[in-house]
Amino acid sequence: QKEVEQDPGPLSVPEGAIVSLNCTYSNSAFQYFMWYRQYSRKGPELLMYTYSSGNKEDGRFTAQVDKSSKYISLFIRDSQPSDSATYLCAMRRTFGNEKLTFGTGTRLTIIP
Amino acid sequence: DTAVSQTPKYLVTQMGNDKSIKCEQNLGHDTMYWYKQDSKKFLKIMFSYNNKELIINETVPNRFSPKSPDKAHLNLHINSLELGDSAVYFCASSQPMTGGEQFFGPGTRLTVL
Repeated sequence: QKEVEQDPGPLSVPEGAIVSLNCTYSNSAFQYFMWYRQYSRKGPELLMYTYSSGNKEDGRFTAQVDKSSKYISLFIRDSQPSDSATYLCAMRRTFGNEKLTFGTGTRLTIIP
Repeated sequence: DTAVSQTPKYLVTQMGNDKSIKCEQNLGHDTMYWYKQDSKKFLKIMFSYNNKELIINETVPNRFSPKSPDKAHLNLHINSLELGDSAVYFCASSQPMTGGEQFFGPGTRLTVL
């Protein structure tokens, strides 16, 4: 079993819909959680970075962490065709330069 | 003003050859990483250097040898290339003392024929 599980999709939703992307993890030592967006043939781009449990909002994006359930989510409101990409969750145990453990990514398509 | 850059962007080569990929960051970060992304988009850490010192060395064949001449550069040399080495290789950098967010380069797509 992988340390981080993520539904690979693909996920297709109409423009304007709310998108929910999720990851589950098995290592309770993870404390720092990230969401990256990766466009086709590009490098991952950091979208959200959160510590421990709780919510964080940035524009149309909201990241949620529930450490008791070992479950993290990314919500995208008013989805746009430009949001079409692969979304990768990532996490690590400590502050600093520890490696990131990634999910497999969810491929998202927003249909105009 | 590219933050993390890699060369080459594409690399097509024959089995058995030796090749190198270069990475440079101008963010002033102390830590640099190499990740491998397979055909299913799974990203996995290979190596990490902090201020030219190797700090992460995952289970990677010893045909892969990283080298960091200074903290702004991290290169990856691969000997005796195999078909299974075909993947996209990403370089990343971070500054541990200010949160450790990792910033990725554009990737090098390696195809071994």
